[in-house]
Amino acid sequence: EDKVVQSPLSLVVHEGDTVTLNCSYEVTNFRSLLWYKQEKKAPTFLFMLTSSGIEKKSGRLSSILDKKELFSILNITATQTGDSAIYLCAVSRTYKYIFGTGTRLKVLA
Amino acid sequence: GAGVSQSPSNKVTEKGKDVELRCDPISGHTALYWYRQRLGQGLEFLIYFQGNSAPDKSGLPSDRFSAERTGESVSTLTIQRTQQEDSAVYLCASSLDQRGVPFFGPGTRLTVL
Repeated sequence: EDKVVQSPLSLVVHEGDTVTLNCSYEVTNFRSLLWYKQEKKAPTFLFMLTSSGIEKKSGRLSSILDKKELFSILNITATQTGDSAIYLCAVSRTYKYIFGTGTRLKVLA
Repeated sequence: GAGVSQSPSNKVTEKGKDVELRCDPISGHTALYWYRQRLGQGLEFLIYFQGNSAPDKSGLPSDRFSAERTGESVSTLTIQRTQQEDSAVYLCASSLDQRGVPFFGPGTRLTVL
């Protein structure tokens, strides 16, 4: 059965800290892995990863995929209170996206 | 607006009533998805549309759930004889095609009393 597992489930840090969020998967016919940030209801897109070892970067956020070990990490450096959210990982097989349960990040001022 | 829109944003209903949830995808997006998110849970796949057809309805939890899409545009998710376990946020997403990134709407929060 296809599955996506995220860890940790929740995390509390202080502003300025660096965090690493993990996503491991077992999905047949893997096509891509996506990261989303969910603050209220609508998840907003962060990154799409399809190839191993190529880092995607946007400001303080970066992500990388390891297709051999079947995992991805999302790094956030110099965290800010505005980074507080649920971070969702989703893996696609053909058109279907399978989501993990997310990591709830809280950044304290 | 250029994003995915959903209505209503909140819906409170009594057990046993039918509800209709609407999704307006981004113009030109041929792929459309419905997901359900229960409190504290991840997103649960319900149904996928490619154009007007629904090649994958495998996520619909029971025959009380149905969905349609007209004119490669608006989609409606209907839940008949609602139950308390149907309470959740229902999220719609669209993408350019089946390979594109899904962009999500703001969701409809359904509460069944």
